[in-house]
Amino acid sequence: GQQVMQIPQYQHVQEGEDFTTYCNSSTTLSNIQWYKQRPGGHPVFLIQLVKSGEVKKQKRLTFQFGEAKKNSSLHITATQTTDVGTYFCAGPGNQAGTALIFGKGTTLSVSS
Amino acid sequence: EPEVTQTPSHQVTQMGQEVILRCVPISNHLYFYWYRQILGQKVEFLVSFYNNEISEKSEIFDDQFSVERPDGSNFTLKIRSTKLEDSAMYFCASSEGRSGVARSPLHFGNGTRLTVT
Repeated sequence: GQQVMQIPQYQHVQEGEDFTTYCNSSTTLSNIQWYKQRPGGHPVFLIQLVKSGEVKKQKRLTFQFGEAKKNSSLHITATQTTDVGTYFCAGPGNQAGTALIFGKGTTLSVSS
Repeated sequence: EPEVTQTPSHQVTQMGQEVILRCVPISNHLYFYWYRQILGQKVEFLVSFYNNEISEKSEIFDDQFSVERPDGSNFTLKIRSTKLEDSAMYFCASSEGRSGVARSPLHFGNGTRLTVT
């Protein structure tokens, strides 16, 4: 089945610095979703990308879906301590399935 | 805002015992899921459930696991004979599924932390 690879596994930044996490799939994805999990919390849906080359923004967060629909990225501009957590990308397990398969996540820590 | 609720928040059990984890999905959602997360690791898909039957399951979801929707609101995960390696956080999730199931955001509960001793 499909797997999504995420890098880096961990990232530490100083408050105000930018942060990017990357998600790659060996197969074309019909869509990709991003989730955030705060320490001790549960995954919370952030956004979904469907179209090739799509770019979506949520305040300081910018999400991109690659032209080939095999990769995606999440970029945070000027990180804040509230951005701390693990960011997961997730894609369909297969074309006809119902499973959403999560990447291993990138854990972001921010120091002030 | 409606939310997925899970009980208990923490369950401690002895190896070999049966446990039942309970979830109440969001009422108008059609698809229900169980995921597990071993401490600090990835969120692993276990099973999806639709129209009162299993839609898809992973390799992890072997014969010791079962799911049930015993009434109109609850969705349960049963582990028949727990093993030490079953210790993890178990998340229930639900989705509307109306725009295509794999395109519907998952709404997660707060999880049940299962500790097998």
